[in-house]
Amino acid sequence: NAGVTQTPKFQVLKTGQSMTLQCAQDMNHNSMYWYRQDPGMGLRLIYYSASEGTTDKGEVPNGYNVSRLNKREFSLRLESAAPSQTSVYFCASNSQGAYGNEQFFGPGTRLTVL
Amino acid sequence: DAKTTQPNSMESNEEEPVHLPCNHSTISGTDYIHWYRQLPSQGPEYVIHGLTSNVNNRMASLAIAEDRKSSTLILHRATLRDAAVYYCILREYNQGGKLIFGQGTELSVKP
Repeated sequence: NAGVTQTPKFQVLKTGQSMTLQCAQDMNHNSMYWYRQDPGMGLRLIYYSASEGTTDKGEVPNGYNVSRLNKREFSLRLESAAPSQTSVYFCASNSQGAYGNEQFFGPGTRLTVL
Repeated sequence: DAKTTQPNSMESNEEEPVHLPCNHSTISGTDYIHWYRQLPSQGPEYVIHGLTSNVNNRMASLAIAEDRKSSTLILHRATLRDAAVYYCILREYNQGGKLIFGQGTELSVKP
């Protein structure tokens, strides 16, 4: 099993450009999440999908959209990138949305917006 | 969301036990206590979780106070590979399983 994979690993954008971060998991998990981590800070939840066909806002959803394409894939889109969105983005998944179960994280995408 | 409070940093010597404290005085009855750690330049990884009773696994032990307002992550013999930021997180029941990260404790391990 590859676990949680993210593409790309690195990306540099100019202000106003758009891009989509891809995430996939091969563990047949129901729930998937997108977090961002700014330097020296803990992770902050952007959006999550408790099950296929549902998405919900997290702590910092402004400037982002998400799509739960199928059970395996959960993408994060920046429509018009801003320098404040320079961050490391982590995707995660777990088998149950409710409680108790371990969450698996991808290796992250390092995004710089100039 | 219930909050947790952890020391910003701690130091340990290699092969000695480490006790990482966490306060969560506003914990609710259905909140699970989770610990994750993040090694440099990596995504977080699960360490352990519990509800009321103390828990042990191959990585660590979790000691939960009787009133559940605090907990302690115990690494029995610290290694250099355990140097990481450790996050204590309260995970709400039936709220999509989301994790709300705080600042965490940065653990350094000296040889």
